Amino acid sequence: DAEITQSPRHKITETGRQVTLACHQTWNHNNMFWYRQDLGHGLRLIHYSYGVQDTNKGEVSDGYSVSRSNTEDLPLTLESAASSQTSVYFCASSGRRRNEQFFGPGTRLTVL
Amino acid sequence: DQQVKQNSPSLSVQEGRISILNCDYTNSMFDYFLWYKKYPAEGPTFLISISSIKDKNEDGRFTVFLNKSAKHLSLHIVPSQPGDSAVYFCAAKFNAGKSTFGDGTTLTVKP
Repeated sequence: DAEITQSPRHKITETGRQVTLACHQTWNHNNMFWYRQDLGHGLRLIHYSYGVQDTNKGEVSDGYSVSRSNTEDLPLTLESAASSQTSVYFCASSGRRRNEQFFGPGTRLTVL
Repeated sequence: DQQVKQNSPSLSVQEGRISILNCDYTNSMFDYFLWYKKYPAEGPTFLISISSIKDKNEDGRFTVFLNKSAKHLSLHIVPSQPGDSAVYFCAAKFNAGKSTFGDGTTLTVKP
């Protein structure tokens, strides 16, 4: 069965370190998204991609970057982790002509 | 400015009764609306959606109503079951693939 996976599921890091969160989907979807979920803020869009070599900034992109070298993967990099980036991160994907998104299980990141 | 708002952070209903979750939006360009359900420690899952050209969409126990003039949509769950206890997110989109989400409403269905 097709799926979307995230790794690691839990990560603790220190302020200033570079961190990369992985997202891999086997749906062959063109669209991929990264969100963060914080208490009281719902899901906020960090970055998104509509295809290979395409990346776009979302509403809370400062301090994050992504790259899309193939259809299946959209890794999210925190250049220099800050305590304000402690959050739960969700990756999602959707097909070109589909409206609903399929979400991964999430990565809980703690920055100390 | 938040374009999609869910003004009720929480809702508690008795098993078997109706649950009504509400969502308001400000951008009249939105042409598709979705509801997602999220259990703890899991990612959100798609529940039901509605196009802006319709005012109602039904799927089993779940019905979504859209009132474009009021920029308001609601999700009705009838009858509510304890397994429906979760966080419900309203989302809206136009044209391309990205969606704007509300902050979520935590539904608790009491046995």
